[in-house]
Amino acid sequence: NAGVTQTPKFRVLKTGQSMTLLCAQDMNHEYMYWYRQDPGMGLRLIHYSVGEGTTAKGEVPDGYNVSRLKKQNFLLGLESAAPSQTSVYFCASSYSIGTGDGYTFGSGTRLTVV
Amino acid sequence: GESVGLHLPTLSVQEGDNSIINCAYSNSASDYFIWYKQESGKGPQFIIDIRSNMDKRQGQRVTVLLNKTVKHLSLQIAATQPGDSAVYFCAEGDNDYKLSFGAGTTVTVRA
Repeated sequence: NAGVTQTPKFRVLKTGQSMTLLCAQDMNHEYMYWYRQDPGMGLRLIHYSVGEGTTAKGEVPDGYNVSRLKKQNFLLGLESAAPSQTSVYFCASSYSIGTGDGYTFGSGTRLTVV
Repeated sequence: GESVGLHLPTLSVQEGDNSIINCAYSNSASDYFIWYKQESGKGPQFIIDIRSNMDKRQGQRVTVLLNKTVKHLSLQIAATQPGDSAVYFCAEGDNDYKLSFGAGTTVTVRA
């Protein structure tokens, strides 16, 4: 099915470990985003990309890095995981700005850092 | 920074009644507003959006109202059904690609 696919769906990390979350979309969208969602809070933007080879910082970028080497993939990396990064991570993509229904979200990655 | 927020974190509604979910925003430069529904274990799902030059927009069983004077957004769900139980988020956007989300309202439908 067309859409946004996130892998893995669940992961438990020890403090200090590193990992990469993968987001893939098959809709040929230019724009891709990584959000985190914490209990009682809305989604907060970590990093985003407006096209292949470009990335930019969002609201809460510290502790994360991203890469967009291919248009369809947007990777989120944690170099040295901390318990504060325990969260649910959502990737999204969009084909344009100014249209709400242009955003498509993945089903999320639940990350626990112990 | 400016943020989008919701008035109430929870809402309990009787099946068949109408639901009203409210959202206050503070960024007067926002160009469009979106309502999302998020079911447990899933990502946000688009419900309806409205541009800043409109004050009302209707969809299937849903209506979004925008009051720019008081910076208020609401989502009305007609004849609420058990499948409407979820967390509802409002979000605002402008022309820099990014969305800002409110904290969400958890809607519980009573049978």
